[in-house]
Amino acid sequence: GENVEQHPSTLSVQEGDSAVIKCTYSDSASNYFPWYKQELGKRPQLIIDIRSNVGEKKDQRIAVTLNKTAKHFSLHITETQPEDSAVYFCAARWNDMRFGAGTRLTVKP
Amino acid sequence: SAVISQKPSRDICQRGTSLTIQCQVDSQVTMMFWYRQQPGQSLTLIATANQGSEATYESGFVIDKFPISRPNLTFSTLTVSNMSPEDSSIYLCSVDSLAYQETQYFGPGTRLLVL
Repeated sequence: GENVEQHPSTLSVQEGDSAVIKCTYSDSASNYFPWYKQELGKRPQLIIDIRSNVGEKKDQRIAVTLNKTAKHFSLHITETQPEDSAVYFCAARWNDMRFGAGTRLTVKP
Repeated sequence: SAVISQKPSRDICQRGTSLTIQCQVDSQVTMMFWYRQQPGQSLTLIATANQGSEATYESGFVIDKFPISRPNLTFSTLTVSNMSPEDSSIYLCSVDSLAYQETQYFGPGTRLLVL
């Protein structure tokens, strides 16, 4: 089955800096790659996604890139703010959704 | 996106008992999923629940321990049977998007503590 690896497990940045989280997947049939943000005590919220026919997608301060050949995708957050602090999960889907282990992002004011 | 609710939101149970968690969606969806999220961990798929057929369980999860019902296209239940402290976790239901079926949205979760 699909295996998704996510790095780093924790990330601390200064407010205003950029944050990058990377994921790799094993199943070349996977064609959908979402990113979820989970604040403490809350449900995972979809923040951005990308499909396999696209290499990059951007939504304001958030962007995702996909390299299908290398089977990796990344989340980029620019101009980070304290409210970006949360756990971020990447996922890959062919039939079922498989999640990475998560990255705890801390943005220091 | 669909509005998803879960009941109960949290519970404290004694070992050896069972708890049934309900998931209600405000619109008809094809696929419903049940996940477990242990403290500080990622999301692990327990099973996929399709209306009109048996749930499909992932490796490590069995029907006797986690029976699932899917009586219609807006509702599902997950039962955690014969609970032990190791079952303490957050249980989340999830549904496919109506517009883009690869996209999944999550319910608010049920926080379970087994003593």
